[in-house]
Amino acid sequence: DQQVKQNSPSLSVQEGRISILNCDYTNSMFDYFLWYKKYPAEGPTFLISISSIKDKNEDGRFTVFLNKSAKHLSLHIVPSQPGDSAVYFCAASPENQGGKLIFGQGTELSVKP
Amino acid sequence: KAGVTQTPRYLIKTRGQQVTLSCSPISGHRSVSWYQQTPGQGLQFLFEYFSETQRNKGNFPGRFSGRQFSNSRSEMNVSTLELGDSALYLCASRLTGRETQYFGPGTRLLVL
Repeated sequence: DQQVKQNSPSLSVQEGRISILNCDYTNSMFDYFLWYKKYPAEGPTFLISISSIKDKNEDGRFTVFLNKSAKHLSLHIVPSQPGDSAVYFCAASPENQGGKLIFGQGTELSVKP
Repeated sequence: KAGVTQTPRYLIKTRGQQVTLSCSPISGHRSVSWYQQTPGQGLQFLFEYFSETQRNKGNFPGRFSGRQFSNSRSEMNVSTLELGDSALYLCASRLTGRETQYFGPGTRLLVL
């Protein structure tokens, strides 16, 4: 029962262009969503988050959009840089269970110079 | 502030043994959560501790246990190790009332 899904295992983008990573969820009790970046054999690094009461949150080159009716969120990276190449995980937190994150399977982003 | 630290970073054990992993949260963070990452199952939640009490538990067998000390440091223990327990074990801490968790570098466990 995969409650958080990232259907694209990989994504390749040219440097300077926009990267769009997508995530779908099934549990309507999720009220907080986060994106993490991860390198092999390292811990995930927090990028950006969004509460279910918002539909957009922006931090520098990173913007997260939330569409609650479609149970869909996306991470936009503009402009993409080679240093952005990593695996990106979408995670969701159930209401009143902030210490529990449900992760998607990850999308490997490759930004080519 | 120093980040989340985990020890040891690498560990090799044999089937049937037990192992204890340690996690020190970011100063001031009282909630510690543990996760297991494997190629097949991805990142899965094990449990969360807050004020020395387990607050939430994932779908793992009783061989996986944990505890938290009064200084918020946490340990997790896996008894009777199986080959399938080989994984990267991640610890994360957060401020109470905030949902953002910050992860440590992980402990890579290999069970032979």
